[in-house]
Amino acid sequence: QSVLTQPPSASGTPGQSVTISCSGSSSNIGSNAVNWYQQFPESAPRLLIYGHNQRPSGVPDRFSASKSGTSASLAISGLQSEDEALYFCAAWDDSLNGRWVFGGGTKVTVL
Amino acid sequence: QVQLTQSGAEVKKPGSSVKVSCKVSGRPFSSQTINWVRQAPGQGLEWVGRIRPDYGGTHYAASLQDRVTITADKKTDTIYMELRSLTSVDTAVYFCAREGVNYASGSYFDYWGQGALVTVSS
Repeated sequence: QSVLTQPPSASGTPGQSVTISCSGSSSNIGSNAVNWYQQFPESAPRLLIYGHNQRPSGVPDRFSASKSGTSASLAISGLQSEDEALYFCAAWDDSLNGRWVFGGGTKVTVL
Repeated sequence: QVQLTQSGAEVKKPGSSVKVSCKVSGRPFSSQTINWVRQAPGQGLEWVGRIRPDYGGTHYAASLQDRVTITADKKTDTIYMELRSLTSVDTAVYFCAREGVNYASGSYFDYWGQGALVTVSS
């Protein structure tokens, strides 16, 4: 079981907005930044959002993130077919001598 | 730009060990913190551990620390992850990832290797 909790799936039609939630605790999301990764089949994850809603070069501004307390969310606006992928949240966890923890992943389907 | 190039797929017997490599290029090797993350088939991501080559500091996931060792070869700019006493639950794709840091935004995995499938089967 993953330490961070994400819904297994989300969907939308092209042009719609989709939001993915990520729930944690005081030892991870509550006290550290949340990062988001995008993964296509048979590929390595790609950094999508880091820290306080920062996007690496090349990531469209259709992707945005927010955090409140021990929960975080990723929003995709203007959904496009190429956004169909698996999305993971991640955060540093201060428990157990420190560790990186991940959500179980949310599969976004573009209908 | 950092590039991480991993070794190929492995098939191992239960009880044996596997050693996966990750060659780092594009930035000074020793100052990079390299992590290992694994993904079982159809599953999420699990952090394995990390190393900072310049002082050899390592940090492992509590659930794996008795079986895993991460080392760095400064001559070849290569990181190794060895996992011992393999069982079927260790079957996964193992990724190496560079841990970038921004002092305003924290740490994150900004460069990833292509992954190496380790299959444990009798």
